[in-house]
Amino acid sequence: DTGVSQNPRHKITKRGQNVTFRCDPISEHNRLYWYRQTLGQGPEFLTYFQNEAQLEKSRLLSDRFSAERPKGSFSTLEIQRTEQGDSAMYLCASSPTAGERYGEPQHFGDGTRLSIL
Amino acid sequence: DAKTTQPNSMESNEEEPVHLPCNHSTISGTDYIHWYRQLPSQGPEYVIHGLTSNVNNRMASLAIAEDRKSSTLILHRATLRDAAVYYCILRELMDSNYQLIWGAGTKLIIKP
Repeated sequence: DTGVSQNPRHKITKRGQNVTFRCDPISEHNRLYWYRQTLGQGPEFLTYFQNEAQLEKSRLLSDRFSAERPKGSFSTLEIQRTEQGDSAMYLCASSPTAGERYGEPQHFGDGTRLSIL
Repeated sequence: DAKTTQPNSMESNEEEPVHLPCNHSTISGTDYIHWYRQLPSQGPEYVIHGLTSNVNNRMASLAIAEDRKSSTLILHRATLRDAAVYYCILRELMDSNYQLIWGAGTKLIIKP
């Protein structure tokens, strides 16, 4: 078990470009979460999946943000037409469903740091 | 919005116990209390969680007040590697799904 893996670790791009981040969760975990974290703040929830189904996406920051988990394994987060304000750390986490009722913890990757020039 | 209140920062000496407080006066009966920590340049790491009773694991202890309106994370013997931001979080039911709503946390500084 190698934990949650995120790629790339760093992404630098020009304003207006599209970017895509990948997350590989722990293999037996059904749930996958995306968060954004800006400097000095805690993670901000964006969206999550139960297997391939996206169960909550109302908190995605704008329609420029989208996420997929096509086969219920890895997930991608895409930001279109990036803006300066999109500069942040994007975190992915996963958890099993079975213990959700009892507060099963989420396991985080080390994030992708996005810098918009 | 986060429903927990924590001090912005705390300092402690190495090899001494650390008590990190958290207030959650609006907690509901089904809200679990979670603690995570985040080391520099890393993703958050789960520390401990509980509902009503005090909890112990290899990393820390969680003391929950009888009225559940506050809790304390206890690191029994702090090391320099414990320097991190510690988040106290309520797992909340939002739109029929449980979510972790994070505040800004407590930055723990360990002095050698």
